[in-house]
Amino acid sequence: SQTIHQWPATLVQPVGSPLSLECTVEGTSNPNLYWYRQAAGRGLQLLFYSVGIGQISSEVPQNLSASRPQDRQFILSSKKLLLSDSGFYLCAWERSSPLHFGNGTRLTVT
Amino acid sequence: TQLLEQSPQFLSIQEGENLTVYCNSSSVFSSLQWYRQEPGEGPVLLVTVVTGGEVKKLKRLTFQFGDARKDSSLHITAAQTGDTGLYLCAGGYVKTSYDKVIFGPGTSLSVIP
Repeated sequence: SQTIHQWPATLVQPVGSPLSLECTVEGTSNPNLYWYRQAAGRGLQLLFYSVGIGQISSEVPQNLSASRPQDRQFILSSKKLLLSDSGFYLCAWERSSPLHFGNGTRLTVT
Repeated sequence: TQLLEQSPQFLSIQEGENLTVYCNSSSVFSSLQWYRQEPGEGPVLLVTVVTGGEVKKLKRLTFQFGDARKDSSLHITAAQTGDTGLYLCAGGYVKTSYDKVIFGPGTSLSVIP
């Protein structure tokens, strides 16, 4: 069966520091991968998606970037965090829908 | 831009009561999913509906997709405390060679014992 791993579960980082969140998927090949951000009391906002290695599409302009160095690895990064980057970040995968989510990373920028 | 609206935003009910939450859009979707999310965790898929007018049942949960595939409802019978969580609907559509979904803001359900 397929599983998705996301880490770390929680992270507290100062403003201006770098960020790296990692997501890996097991049990499937060539998945479509997604990064979402969820603000408190709001829905999920799509940040990035990838249909293959090295292929990244950004949905909204922002302080974040994503990379897919391997088929089942998706990384969310930032060079310098802003206070507004705080939130709950979710990685997800799918092949012909529906989406399967990881357990998320709670990021607090202080 | 396609948008999904959900109502009510918050709902607090007593255990044993029935409830219905709604998901509405002005756009047509090829499929619609319902997810439940507990605090600090990722959303978990409950159901996918793809056919206009489709009704699916999952134990005490009944899901309906509107005839025009623009709206959906989730009805819970005899709610239990374990039903507490954030219920998200998500509309799917095909764009180029992959599917993307858009999410509603969710209904936060609290079932009080």
